[in-house]
Amino acid sequence: RKEVEQDPGPFNVPEGATVAFNCTYSNSASQSFFWYRQDCRKEPKLLMSVYSSGNEDGRFTAQLNRASQYISLLIRDSKLSDSATYLCVVSHLGGATNKLIFGTGTLLAVQP
Amino acid sequence: GAVVSQHPSWVICKSGTSVKIECRSLDFQATTMFWYRQFPKQSLMLMATSNEGSKATYEQGVEKDKFLINHASLTLSTLTVTSAHPEDSSFYICSAGHHDRGRTQPQHFGDGTRLSIL
Repeated sequence: RKEVEQDPGPFNVPEGATVAFNCTYSNSASQSFFWYRQDCRKEPKLLMSVYSSGNEDGRFTAQLNRASQYISLLIRDSKLSDSATYLCVVSHLGGATNKLIFGTGTLLAVQP
Repeated sequence: GAVVSQHPSWVICKSGTSVKIECRSLDFQATTMFWYRQFPKQSLMLMATSNEGSKATYEQGVEKDKFLINHASLTLSTLTVTSAHPEDSSFYICSAGHHDRGRTQPQHFGDGTRLSIL
């Protein structure tokens, strides 16, 4: 079983739609949580960190449920430019340093 | 924001060639850098953790003699793929981050190096 699991999609949605991505992680010792965005053939870029209290950044809302080991990302009013792969990422101590573990990503395609 | 520069962005070379990839942190000191590899339609997989002034820590299944890592300064880490073969063709990405007050700060990634071995 993968340590971070995501629905690979693709999610095809019209412009203006609201779309939600889910992610589960298996290591209860995970300490930090992030959503990254990766465009085709490019490096990942940090979208937002995820906190237990939930956090919002414009059209993006992230939630963390530690008890269920579940992370979500909600995108409201989707734009064409939101089309990308969204990576769920968790971090835990691996020796003296923190290691990032990536999900395989969820592909979002926003249609005009 | 933090900037990580990676070079080259694209390499095409013959089988058996050794390829060096550089990763630089441009506006902060990175005691730790990470090297990842991503095959098509797969997630990023951590290969090794590069520690300034000491030996790299390799993930299980990654050959340390094939993927040589040097982290000689606080702003530069290099990955050398020795005697590369077609199965080494992949997208190699470095990142740098730091640990602050018990919380991992988000890592910032280089642009990645697309390696194609013929």
